[in-house]
Amino acid sequence: GAVVSQHPSRVICKSGTSVKIECRSLDFQATTMFWYRQFPKQSLMLMATSNEGSKATYEQGVEKDKFLINHASLTLSTLTVTSAHPEDSSFYICSAREGAGGRDTQYFGPGTRLTVL
Amino acid sequence: AQSVAQPEDQVNVAEGNPLTVKCTYSVSGNPYLFWYVQYPNRGLQFLLKYITGDNLVKGSYGFEAEFNKSQTSFHLKKPSALVSDSALYFCAVRPSTSGNTPLVFGKGTRLSVIA
Repeated sequence: GAVVSQHPSRVICKSGTSVKIECRSLDFQATTMFWYRQFPKQSLMLMATSNEGSKATYEQGVEKDKFLINHASLTLSTLTVTSAHPEDSSFYICSAREGAGGRDTQYFGPGTRLTVL
Repeated sequence: AQSVAQPEDQVNVAEGNPLTVKCTYSVSGNPYLFWYVQYPNRGLQFLLKYITGDNLVKGSYGFEAEFNKSQTSFHLKKPSALVSDSALYFCAVRPSTSGNTPLVFGKGTRLSVIA
């Protein structure tokens, strides 16, 4: 299957700092990327949908000014957690889809474990 | 709105025995259905999907799933479980009419295969 990478895999930062997470589709062009958040022993919570060249669509309850998403190219989307606080500590997973059709498979990155001290 | 139910938080099975992880869905129109597996501290790996055609779908690592429209189910199965199959399994759905919408996931089922 297609490969999606995320960087970094793990980050520890101080409260108040900003953290950028990169998501790359390595062997396909992703017109759409998704960002999820996963709490321990829970399912994935969709945060936002990112389309290349346009503004991201955020899910209800997700602060767009806190979680900045940029999808500048067909192979790269970034999520920046601004002014991070301990409650932002979580496992962040990105997903990329090659086409815009409903049949297309979403492929997931390996995730980024964010710990805010 | 679409939804997915995975009624079991945990499934335990002995190595070599068949396994089933249950999934039911609710969606308007015809569904596209997916199964993913997640190993500890890792992202999700795609196992298989049902789009149309044969109700029995075969996927990676010997897994298969059967689409049952009348029961709105898409249970994941494997004839003979391996210890290495122990992981968290997610069922997901997207309506066929939805275009660009993301998948909706169930809460996950933790599979434990005991040697």
